[in-house]
Amino acid sequence: DVKVTQSSRYLVKRTGEKVFLECVQDMDHENMFWYRQDPGLGLRLIYFSYDVKMKEKGDIPEGYSVSREKKERFSLILESASTNQTSMYLCASIDLYSNQPQHFGDGTRLSIL
Amino acid sequence: AQTVTQSQPEMSVQEAETVTLSCTYDTSENNYYLFWYKQPPSRQMILVIRQEAYKQQNATENRFSVNFQKAAKSFSLKISDSQLGDTAMYFCAFINNNAGNMLTFGGGTRLMVKP
Repeated sequence: DVKVTQSSRYLVKRTGEKVFLECVQDMDHENMFWYRQDPGLGLRLIYFSYDVKMKEKGDIPEGYSVSREKKERFSLILESASTNQTSMYLCASIDLYSNQPQHFGDGTRLSIL
Repeated sequence: AQTVTQSQPEMSVQEAETVTLSCTYDTSENNYYLFWYKQPPSRQMILVIRQEAYKQQNATENRFSVNFQKAAKSFSLKISDSQLGDTAMYFCAFINNNAGNMLTFGGGTRLMVKP
């Protein structure tokens, strides 16, 4: 069964810390996405990547960076965590031409204290 | 830029009845995909149904069907014979069929199915 795995389901960090959220997919998909989900705001795109070492800004990239050194892994980095980055983070992997075109991880609920 | 709008933040329906969730989108592209996702309290995103823009026939998956109006840029989801397990957040989403394509979501509709 295909799978998108996010490294942590719950994470608590402190203001100013550097935070890494990892996402790994086993489907050889080229397109991977990071979203944050907040009540009333739906899913907002932070960054996405359509190939190794390629990245594009989404709607809310400020305060975040990403890394795609290998096709299967897409990392989201909070350079200096702030309390307004407390949120649910979802990773997705996409291949439009497959029967199951998108797969999401289970999400990471990140709290910044 | 592409946008997706869901105008109903919350809806409720009686069990076994039919409910329709609305979604509109804005794009200048002609070749794209539209999706409805379900997110239950477990928070796993589940693909409910998808529609390719080049197909005129509305997609159907069991009790779920869409009304795709390309000219009006409308993509509503109809749930027939609603079940308690349909209680969830529902998100409409859009993606262009281009390289470097973004998957854009609407704000979501919280659906409550009442016994």
